[in-house]
Amino acid sequence: AQSVAQPEDQVNVAEGNPLTVKCTYSVSGNPYLFWYVQYPNRGLQFLLKYITGDNLVKGSYGFEAEFNKSQTSFHLKKPSALVSDSALYFCAVRDINRMNTGFQKLVFGTGTRLLVSP
Amino acid sequence: KAGVTQTPRYLIKTRGQQVTLSCSPISGHRSVSWYQQTPGQGLQFLFEYFSETQRNKGNFPGRFSGRQFSNSRSEMNVSTLELGDSALYLCASSLDGANNQPQHFGDGTRLSIL
Repeated sequence: AQSVAQPEDQVNVAEGNPLTVKCTYSVSGNPYLFWYVQYPNRGLQFLLKYITGDNLVKGSYGFEAEFNKSQTSFHLKKPSALVSDSALYFCAVRDINRMNTGFQKLVFGTGTRLLVSP
Repeated sequence: KAGVTQTPRYLIKTRGQQVTLSCSPISGHRSVSWYQQTPGQGLQFLFEYFSETQRNKGNFPGRFSGRQFSNSRSEMNVSTLELGDSALYLCASSLDGANNQPQHFGDGTRLSIL
């Protein structure tokens, strides 16, 4: 079964510095990978996805993520953090292989809290 | 374009009662999925509906059920509520549930069981 690991419960970064939120995955076939952000008392907001193609994916609000097949990772990055980026970030995966091309549920990581200090 | 709308936003129930939560997807979206979010278990998939049919189901007891109407609106029902059912219940929609489509989430219904 597919799984996602977010090894850091919390990431602290100063405003203006680059940020990285880590995500590794495990699938039996090809991964479809997604990043979402959740602000307090809100639902999840889609940031970006990797389906196929370029390993560097650009998304909303200046975020990007790098797909690394050999390391089975999909780390979220931003060159310059903002205080308003402080939120809970979730990585999610769908496991796609020739046996299950129908709808596949999203499997989420446990989330990483990002705190950006002024 | 309006986003995913979930009602009510907050709900307080007691053990043994039942509850119905509602979700209106983004206009034109026909796939609706439900998730339970708790501090201990994180985000867990409940079920997905498309064209009024349940296509996929997570590992939850039969007390959790749902349905989808012809206008794609969906409801989720939990019967015989237990303290452990306290959670944020999130609904998400996509065009047709294709695996390359992101899901768009509502703000959830926070259910508290006393």
